[in-house]
Amino acid sequence: EAQVTQNPRYLITVTGKKLTVTCSQNMNHEYMSWYRQDPGLGLRQIYYSMNVEVTDKGDVPEGYKVSRKEKRNFPLILESPSPNQTSLYFCASSSGLQQYFGPGTRLTVT
Amino acid sequence: GDSVTQMEGPVTLSEEAFLTINCTYTATGYPSLFWYVQYPGEGLQLLLKATKADDKGSNKGFEATYRKETTSFHLEKGSVQVSDSAVYFCALSMSSGSARQLTFGSGTQLTVLP
Repeated sequence: EAQVTQNPRYLITVTGKKLTVTCSQNMNHEYMSWYRQDPGLGLRQIYYSMNVEVTDKGDVPEGYKVSRKEKRNFPLILESPSPNQTSLYFCASSSGLQQYFGPGTRLTVT
Repeated sequence: GDSVTQMEGPVTLSEEAFLTINCTYTATGYPSLFWYVQYPGEGLQLLLKATKADDKGSNKGFEATYRKETTSFHLEKGSVQVSDSAVYFCALSMSSGSARQLTFGSGTQLTVLP
């Protein structure tokens, strides 16, 4: 089954404690992306990757890092999380014709 | 920059009512337009799309027509069901027919009552 998986689905952490949210897709897509969803703001793109070792900033990249060492994986790294990064995060991959979204990771930073 | 404006929610309808969710866009060229749906606790799923002016996207009884003259892509359904309760997002892409680099609207929560 074609899918995008994210882990963990839920995470509560404290300010400053580094964390990684994993994202994996099994569709051999070149393009992958991370979004955050906040009430009233829709989805905003954090980072995207056009292919292995090719990443670029989206609209709200501050406080986040990504890497793309393999085609299937695109982890999101928060080196020093802060409360304003409390949000719902979605990973997506695209064949070009549509984007496929993961189930989301709800992150709370206290 | 490019942007998408959706009607504010939440929208509450009775089963079998007619649905319209307005969406307008601002873009420097001719974008591809999308509607995504997010059911509770899930990620977004593509509902329908249109890649050029006057195209009509349709799926599961939902329709939207790409209107260049009014820069709009309103979502409609003739008779909603309880199972249509979800958040609906309008989005655009300037990547020449592709679904990459999406710009989303703020989303519209729809609740359908039995």
